[in-house]
Amino acid sequence: GQQVQQSPASLVLQEGENAELQCNFSTSLNSMQWFYQRPEGSLVSLFYNPSGTKQSGRLTSTTVIKERRSSLHISSSQITDSGTYLCAMGNYAQGLTFGLGTRVSVFP
Amino acid sequence: NSKVIQTPRYLVKGQGQKAKMRCIPEKGHPVVFWYQQNKNNEFKFLINFQNQEVLQQIDMTEKRFSAECPSNSPCSLEIQSSEAGDSALYLCASSLSGASQNTLYFGAGTRLSVL
Repeated sequence: GQQVQQSPASLVLQEGENAELQCNFSTSLNSMQWFYQRPEGSLVSLFYNPSGTKQSGRLTSTTVIKERRSSLHISSSQITDSGTYLCAMGNYAQGLTFGLGTRVSVFP
Repeated sequence: NSKVIQTPRYLVKGQGQKAKMRCIPEKGHPVVFWYQQNKNNEFKFLINFQNQEVLQQIDMTEKRFSAECPSNSPCSLEIQSSEAGDSALYLCASSLSGASQNTLYFGAGTRLSVL
């Protein structure tokens, strides 16, 4: 089955709202990354966060290893935050195992 | 933030044709990965290299796909005989070492359409 599960699959926000995206792993976690995928496909690395909490601007990532989960919090969403957010679990052999993403749409 | 360069951005081929795409990893990154992302957002690992050596590749890659990362030249991924099911976004990523220790940086991808 899917080793990396993301929820929700999609999210519609009004500009200014906060959002929490979840990522759950079915196996032990070595490391994980959050990415933002632009509509045309390019991936932007948001966080490399194997454990604990990291913040960058309006984004905060929290990974709890023993619970095999990570979350991405978006505060005060903006229209430019629209896109797909992907989490991925790191492994030595294949690099990363990705979830299917959360598609975020922010409207004025 | 990423300096991984992929070319071309778009590639259109007929079934049975060869399709070749290239990737220049970030300077100083010895590890390179190729992934395929299909229309359902599913990522599939294809192959990875450390310097010029293949570390791991999947069966699909061993049959119709070929890839190399020669020294002082771009890495490349080539599909010998394209099939409709190969239509996807092909993403290249580079890293200082394996993904269990370091961030992977991705290029913008090559979107292949096989007609």
